Amino acid sequence: AQSVTQLGSHVSVSEGALVLLRCNYSSSVPPYLFWYVQYPNQGLQLLLKYTSAATLVKGINGFEAEFKKSETSFHLTKPSAHMSDAAEYFCAVSAPLGGGADGLTFGKGTHLIIQP
Amino acid sequence: SQTIHQWPATLVQPVGSPLSLECTVEGTSNPNLYWYRQAAGRGLQLLFYSVGIGQISSEVPQNLSASRPQDRQFILSSKKLLLSDSGFYLCAWSLNSPLHFGNGTRLTVT
Repeated sequence: AQSVTQLGSHVSVSEGALVLLRCNYSSSVPPYLFWYVQYPNQGLQLLLKYTSAATLVKGINGFEAEFKKSETSFHLTKPSAHMSDAAEYFCAVSAPLGGGADGLTFGKGTHLIIQP
Repeated sequence: SQTIHQWPATLVQPVGSPLSLECTVEGTSNPNLYWYRQAAGRGLQLLFYSVGIGQISSEVPQNLSASRPQDRQFILSSKKLLLSDSGFYLCAWSLNSPLHFGNGTRLTVT
């Protein structure tokens, strides 16, 4: 079975500082990994995905994540935080469903707060 | 390009009333479709998924049901809402990963 643990339900950083959101996963098969962002009262938007190609994945809005198999981690980073980055971030691991459906198992989310 | 539409955006319903939430996808054929529920502080829970017309799989037994009457239409229903059905409901589609989400419906059961 697949699972995702996001360390820290809330992370606060200053504008311009490094953003680091932590994600560890458990998977019985080689995983696909994803980061999604959710702004208030909106759906989830895909930030980036790892699908067994390059271990360092670049996404939208200046975010990137590194897949580390030995640490079962997929942490999300951004060199310099912007006020517009304030949102909820979800890490997810692929969890194949019957009939070929692409299920995802999500972490509980990390609320990113940007201090001016 | 593909787009997903979900409505209504917000809904307030009394306990015991019926529910119908609709989701449609444009720009793709035979997508996999999903209903997730997001409750405060509890992440996202997969409720139903469908790999084709009339094919519905339920992940969690509950007061809700889903139907897929057309290829790109997915409906979430209830005959009688419970207080515990309150939450943010998200529809999503995929074709060989990843999932793409709609903007969600905020349901409040009073």
